[in-house]
Amino acid sequence: ETGVTQTPRHLVMGMTNKKSLKCEQHLGHNAMYWYKQSAKKPLELMFVYNFKEQTENNSVPSRFSPECPNSSHLFLHLHTLQPEDSALYLCASSQEASNGYTFGSGTRLTVV
Amino acid sequence: EDKVVQSPLSLVVHEGDTVTLNCSYEVTNFRSLLWYKQEKKAPTFLFMLTSSGIEKKSGRLSSILDKKELFSILNITATQTGDSAVYLCAVMGNAGKSTFGDGTTLTVKP
Repeated sequence: ETGVTQTPRHLVMGMTNKKSLKCEQHLGHNAMYWYKQSAKKPLELMFVYNFKEQTENNSVPSRFSPECPNSSHLFLHLHTLQPEDSALYLCASSQEASNGYTFGSGTRLTVV
Repeated sequence: EDKVVQSPLSLVVHEGDTVTLNCSYEVTNFRSLLWYKQEKKAPTFLFMLTSSGIEKKSGRLSSILDKKELFSILNITATQTGDSAVYLCAVMGNAGKSTFGDGTTLTVKP
């Protein structure tokens, strides 16, 4: 375990479903991130939260909605996803926004 | 648009060989360059480089940054099968903005 825990590990959802991904870190870090990793594509930054405030939103469609209730928890709420949203969703945290990340093990999402 | 290019995209070597992985970048507001190793799911942190010419070393792995020529290399000496993985290079900008390269897939054969 890296200190960043993601649940669930695997998720299969229909296009009309609503689900949430959860990320928790016990490292005392101030910044948390959501990344998307699709096959044969580089890691794509989705959202950045620094001290619970969203500081970056890389033009992510509104069907992905992040929530950061405190500096230890991060959620990604999903609704009306498309099959092309199937990917590995990685959460990461860092002490400061420009420091090295600690990644979670990811949630493998399949949209059917 | 920020850009990170890694080469080669894939590499197959035998145990004991030395490999050099390359990462070149074009980014605004450079803060740091990071190397990660990704075996199955979670990328694991290897190095963070912020200054040119200072080699970072960890066991058989080492890395160096050239901020003038905008590139970094990751060296692995005496490779082992456990080094087989995807090696990711990322460049960090302001406010946590990061750009990742496509990765280099390294396969080390016995």
